[in-house]
Amino acid sequence: NAGVMQNPRHLVRRRGQEARLRCSPMKGHSHVYWYRQLPEEGLKFMVYLQKENIIDESGMPKERFSAEFPKEGPSILRIQQVVRGDSAAYFCASSRLNTEAFFGQGTRLTVV
Amino acid sequence: AQSVTQLGSHVSVSEGALVLLRCNYSSSVPPYLFWYVQYPNQGLQLLLKYTSAATLVKGINGFEAEFKKSETSFHLTKPSAHMSDAAEYFCAVSEENNDMRFGAGTRLTVKP
Repeated sequence: NAGVMQNPRHLVRRRGQEARLRCSPMKGHSHVYWYRQLPEEGLKFMVYLQKENIIDESGMPKERFSAEFPKEGPSILRIQQVVRGDSAAYFCASSRLNTEAFFGQGTRLTVV
Repeated sequence: AQSVTQLGSHVSVSEGALVLLRCNYSSSVPPYLFWYVQYPNQGLQLLLKYTSAATLVKGINGFEAEFKKSETSFHLTKPSAHMSDAAEYFCAVSEENNDMRFGAGTRLTVKP
């Protein structure tokens, strides 16, 4: 059973471009979380999704950021018109109901 | 909503000394509690979890944590630190709705 798969591992974007981060949860997991980790800082919750539904997006910036978890395929975190401040490591985690979350290796986004 | 506070963003101990990383939680219902470890440039790995069974929970690598409801705490301990324990440690809380929230993290340094 493969773990949580995130791709790409590293992503470089110029300011103003779009960044798409993908997360394939573990088999059988219907809950997905996205977190952002800035250098020297802890994990900041962004969004919690179940299949086709956003449950809690209170940690996501109101503009430029969006997330989806379609019925088929990976969860996508989309950042439009990236700025330097978006440079961070973005982690995805998945779980079944009321069990621990398993994390991917993260996508390190660098905006130049 | 549930939340977690980790006291001390940096903890330094000598090799062989006791490790104590503090975590206090806030939850309106009996929580699930977790400790995760993050090594450099990697995702998070689960160390241990509390899910309303025994209040003293043993995890991997010799770590354990005790759930104390009266103190709303879930501190992580290890009797004797090893150099390989140097990492970032995150406490997390989840309620029945599975919305998991993390603390800011504690960076553990182990001195020879």
